[in-house]
Amino acid sequence: AQSVTQPDIHITVSEGASLELRCNYSYGATPYLFWYVQSPGQGLQLLLKYFSGDTLVQGIKGFEAEFKRSQSSFNLRKPSVHWSDAAEYFCAVGARSGGSYIPTFGRGTSLIVHP
Amino acid sequence: EAGVTQSPTHLIKTRGQQATLRCSPISGHTSVYWYQQALGLGLQFLLWYDEGEERNRGNFPPRFSGRQFPNYSSELNVNALELEDSALYLCASSLGWAETQYFGPGTRLLVL
Repeated sequence: AQSVTQPDIHITVSEGASLELRCNYSYGATPYLFWYVQSPGQGLQLLLKYFSGDTLVQGIKGFEAEFKRSQSSFNLRKPSVHWSDAAEYFCAVGARSGGSYIPTFGRGTSLIVHP
Repeated sequence: EAGVTQSPTHLIKTRGQQATLRCSPISGHTSVYWYQQALGLGLQFLLWYDEGEERNRGNFPPRFSGRQFPNYSSELNVNALELEDSALYLCASSLGWAETQYFGPGTRLLVL
């Protein structure tokens, strides 16, 4: 069975600083990879996804992520953080098992942005 | 275009009761997923429905069940409620099994 690890429960950055949120997965083949953001009291919004092709993926709100097969990682980055980026970020893996599809989410990383 | 909608937004029940949560997917989406988001545990996959059938379920007891209607809307039923069932229940829909999931705002269930 696949698994997703987000090693950082909380991350604090200053506004304008760069950001990297870590995500590691465990799966036998190349899975489908996603990053979602959840603002307080809101549902989840898709930031970006990787299915195949170029390993550097551009998303919304200035975010990007890089798939590294050798490290089983899909880290999320942003060059300059805005105060409105403060939220909970979830990495997710989608994988096939037999005839079924199993989505697995990490436990999330809470981003705190200092002015 | 309307997004995924869920009702009710909040639900308060007592232990032992039954709860019914509803989800309407984005028009044209045939897959509906249910997740439980308990404090500090992230999203736990509950159920996946596609074309009216249950395709997969997560590691939850049988008292968590549901169905998908011909119009692709879905219902999640939780029987014999326990205190630890208190959580935010999120519904998501997608065009197909491996497509991007779009989430609703959730139903917050409180079991007293």
